[in-house]
Amino acid sequence: QVQLVQSGAEVKKPGASVKVSCKASGYTFSSYGIIWVRQAPGQGLEWLGWISPSSGNTNYAQEVQARFTMTTDTSTSTAYLELRSLRSDDTAVFYCARVDGYNFDHWGQGTLVTVSS
Amino acid sequence: NSFLTQPHSVSESPGKTVSISCTRSSGSIASNYVQWYQQRPGSSPTTVIYEDNQRPSGVPDRFSGSIDSSSNSASLTITGLNTEDEADYYCQSFDGNNQVFGGGTKLTVL
Repeated sequence: QVQLVQSGAEVKKPGASVKVSCKASGYTFSSYGIIWVRQAPGQGLEWLGWISPSSGNTNYAQEVQARFTMTTDTSTSTAYLELRSLRSDDTAVFYCARVDGYNFDHWGQGTLVTVSS
Repeated sequence: NSFLTQPHSVSESPGKTVSISCTRSSGSIASNYVQWYQQRPGSSPTTVIYEDNQRPSGVPDRFSGSIDSSSNSASLTITGLNTEDEADYYCQSFDGNNQVFGGGTKLTVL
């Protein structure tokens, strides 16, 4: 069965960096895109961007493209989201999800990133 | 202004029918497929409708989706409400550059 398993919760200080991982299993990793979504506490879903594991092509939301980087490692079927220059308003749960056509059909369990001094 | 606007909350009684709207602010709602995601408290989102009106396997046929060009909106309709349907619901579509989620609607079944 398709599974996306994300790395554990992180606590970081403002200005630091963090890298969240999303390990896929149960399907051919390179055949489906991966998106990343942010959900601030008590807020809605915010699309951050998309990456193609087969090509490495990316498309970022304008608000995050300067500080966030998406990568993949096809040898381990893992997608990564690196966040730099963290701010307190980056505190959120970050989700990865598989893209099947127009549908985000399988989601990871989420990773809470807390930014606090 | 939000690209996809949803009501903040809706409520209805068990056994009744509820519809949640998602209004597109620019461009035609029919230009890009609309998906709907359900998110229960403490859980990841799951798809209930994709490509405007398609149900993933395992989603009950009580859930249906539609689009209305006259109001430039999409709707998620849930019939025979039960307490398990209580959740946040998000519409999602493409704005020409990026994927966009609506602000979400909290459904209360009381």
